[in-house]
Amino acid sequence: AQKVTQAQTEISVVEKEDVTLDCVYETRDTTYYLFWYKQPPSGELVFLIRRNSFDEQNEISGRYSWNFQKSTSSFNFTITASQVVDSAVYFCALSEGAQKLVFGQGTRLTINP
Amino acid sequence: DTAVSQTPKYLVTQMGNDKSIKCEQNLGHDTMYWYKQDSKKFLKIMFSYNNKELIINETVPNRFSPKSPDKAHLNLHINSLELGDSAVYFCASSLAGAGANVLTFGAGSRLTVL
Repeated sequence: AQKVTQAQTEISVVEKEDVTLDCVYETRDTTYYLFWYKQPPSGELVFLIRRNSFDEQNEISGRYSWNFQKSTSSFNFTITASQVVDSAVYFCALSEGAQKLVFGQGTRLTINP
Repeated sequence: DTAVSQTPKYLVTQMGNDKSIKCEQNLGHDTMYWYKQDSKKFLKIMFSYNNKELIINETVPNRFSPKSPDKAHLNLHINSLELGDSAVYFCASSLAGAGANVLTFGAGSRLTVL
């Protein structure tokens, strides 16, 4: 069965620091999709990025960047120059077959002013 | 206009009661889901429906019964509520299966069983 591990339960940094959230996955599928979602204190789940298994190019969106490495089964997420508004729980997720998303345990990120 | 709306947002009830949570999406998506988030923030799928047809039933107790009257609605009815049912329940939808498609989530319904 598919599995997603976010080993960092909680991270706390000071504003403007860079921070990387780790995600390691296990799958036997050759085609799969990886996702990151953000859950701010208000509670809703917000989609951040989707990456398919054939596209190992890193992606940058503003202060956010993602590093996908199939060789280490990792899909890490970096926030550059963090801001207080980045405080949230971040979830990495992996597609399981055509119908299901399996989520990691989440990493609670706190950005202190 | 809310894309995926769930009601109620908060639900407090006694053990043994029956309750329902409603979900509607206006995105034209074919697939809808219920996810449960426990107190440790762990998110786990419960059900998924594609065009009113049950696709995934993730070994959820029979006390939980989803109903999809049409592809824009997926309601969750829970019988004989137990303390362990306390959680946040998220409805979500996607164009087709979750494998490749982005899920759009509702705001969540926090159920507290006393």
